[in-house]
Formats: sequence, C-alpha cells, structure tokens
Amino acid sequence: KAGVTQTPRYLIKTRGQQVTLSCSPISGHRSVSWYQQTPGQGLQFLFEYFSETQRNKGNFPGRFSGRQFSNSRSEMNVSTLELGDSALYLCASSLGGHDEQYFGPGTRLTVT
Amino acid sequence: AQSVTQLDSQVPVFEEAPVELRCNYSSSVSVYLFWYVQYPNQGLQLLLKYLSGSTLVKSINGFEAEFNKSQTSFHLRKPSVHISDTAEYFCAVGSGYSTLTFGKGTMLLVSP
Repeated sequence: KAGVTQTPRYLIKTRGQQVTLSCSPISGHRSVSWYQQTPGQGLQFLFEYFSETQRNKGNFPGRFSGRQFSNSRSEMNVSTLELGDSALYLCASSLGGHDEQYFGPGTRLTVT
Repeated sequence: AQSVTQLDSQVPVFEEAPVELRCNYSSSVSVYLFWYVQYPNQGLQLLLKYLSGSTLVKSINGFEAEFNKSQTSFHLRKPSVHISDTAEYFCAVGSGYSTLTFGKGTMLLVSP
C-alpha cells in the first residue's frame, strides 16, 4: 500500500505570494490533517478534513486554508506569504477515529 | 485544551546504554497517546501508541512506553540504544477527532 505523498517537496516563494500544497492520503483513509513544523514552535495543528468537511481547525490566521476532494486528496493554501510562514508542512492521513496518523515526507516552504 | 511537555530537549547517551525520554500531558478528557520518531529530512513515523487496555505498550524495535494516568505521563524507554536510534522523538496526545497535540520533541543523540 502506498504511503502518504506530498507535492511539491520543496518550494521557494516570495513574501506576498500565495502557495498551494497537495497531499494524497493512503488509500481508504478519509481523514487528512495538516501540521506546520518550525524550530521555534514545533509541530502545530493547522486543520483536519474528513469526507470533504473541515472538522477541526487550529489557531492560525485566515490566510491558511484548505480543502478536501471526493477522492480524499487534500490541498492547503497560504495567501499573502510572510517570512514566518517558512516551515515544513506535514500532512497526515488516518481512518478518522482514534487511530494513528500516517505522515507524509512534508513540503519544505521557504519564503524570502 | 490539551498540552504535552517533553522535559528534555536533548538526551545524549552512549551506545548500548539504557535511555528514558520523558513525556507528561494534560487533558480534561480521556486521551490516547503516541510516540513518533523523525529522522533528518523525513516525516514522522509512528513508534508506538496507547489507545486503551494494557498500560505498557511496545514497539518492534525494542522501545516501550507506559501510560500512567495518575502521573499523566507516557515515558519512552529502551534498555539498550543503537547508533541508528539517533533521531528526534515526539510525544503526542489526541482526543476526539483526528487531531494531535505534540510536544516540542526530544533529540536523542547516541554516540559510540
């Protein structure tokens, strides 16, 4: 069974631009969660989608948004990028209950 | 609200020595607990999990953790570490939907 895939793996953007990251979950998984990882703040939860509906959202500004498609693939979008958005963005998939989450390799976003 | 405290940011240890990585959590509801490991430039891999039942859980590569409800702890132990165990270890707590709250991580540094 293929694991969680994220594209692109690396991205360099300029302040003020927007970016879209993609995540393909493990086949059969209906839940996709997004996390931001930085050296200073560690791993922080962004949002979680289940069957195309956002079930939970972390404490991030509205510039961060996401969506999930009918095939469970998910995208997250960050608009008006700031230098502080530079981070590793991790996507995780699960069946949707109290089960473990399987993480992708992440997308390394650098904002200059 | 939930929180996770990993008391040590770095733990240096010699090869074949025992190690304990400490994790304390706080939550007002029933929780489930995980330990994840992250190797450089990779995503997170599940090491072990506690959902219910036996409070002592074990991984296939020799790690174990014990859920202690009265002390709200979930410390990770290994009786004899290898160089290949060098990585960052994250403790996480979840409740409700697929949302995890992570600790800041503990870097395990194994030297010969």
